[in-house]
Amino acid sequence: ELKVEQNPLFLSMQEGKNYTIYCNYSTTSDRLYWYRQDPGKSLESLFVLLSNGAVKQEGRLMASLDTKARLSTLHITAAVHDLSATYFCAVDIRVTTGTASKLTFGTGTRLQVTL
Amino acid sequence: SQTIHQWPATLVQPVGSPLSLECTVEGTSNPNLYWYRQAAGRGLQLLFYSVGIGQISSEVPQNLSASRPQDRQFILSSKKLLLSDSGFYLCAGQLYNSPLHFGNGTRLTVT
Repeated sequence: ELKVEQNPLFLSMQEGKNYTIYCNYSTTSDRLYWYRQDPGKSLESLFVLLSNGAVKQEGRLMASLDTKARLSTLHITAAVHDLSATYFCAVDIRVTTGTASKLTFGTGTRLQVTL
Repeated sequence: SQTIHQWPATLVQPVGSPLSLECTVEGTSNPNLYWYRQAAGRGLQLLFYSVGIGQISSEVPQNLSASRPQDRQFILSSKKLLLSDSGFYLCAGQLYNSPLHFGNGTRLTVT
């Protein structure tokens, strides 16, 4: 059974600081997603990482994937209050190419950025 | 781009009552469709997925069922709700190799 672990589960950080969220998973996959969820809301796709060494950046967020280590990171640079949300990684296990994605989600990291 | 419509947004139902949640997709055809459930303060659990009309795969044995009567319609049902069915239900659509795109969700409280 695929396990996806995120840490930390809760992160309180000051504006302007940098931090990294880690996502470890237990089986081989070459496709990993990061999503953001605001309280009481749905999930918004942030990044898709498709291969070993992939790096994607959008604003103050940068995600990377190391498939050999089964590790993805979400790095936050110079945090601002608007980044406060819960962040989920999700690992995609497909039965065969072209079929549905069976995403297993991590438990989420609740990020709180304080002034 | 695809838009996922879900309704209702919130629902309060007594134990033992039936359930029907509907999800429709706009802006694309032949998407993969998914039902996820999120318990309070937790991650998402895949319940069902569908790659086409009438094709349903169940991931977790439970009190729920799903149907896809039309290409862009995905329905989640239960004949008799349990307290443990409470949660935030999210429908998602996917085009080949793209990220899942989620609807706004239905918050179900079983009392």
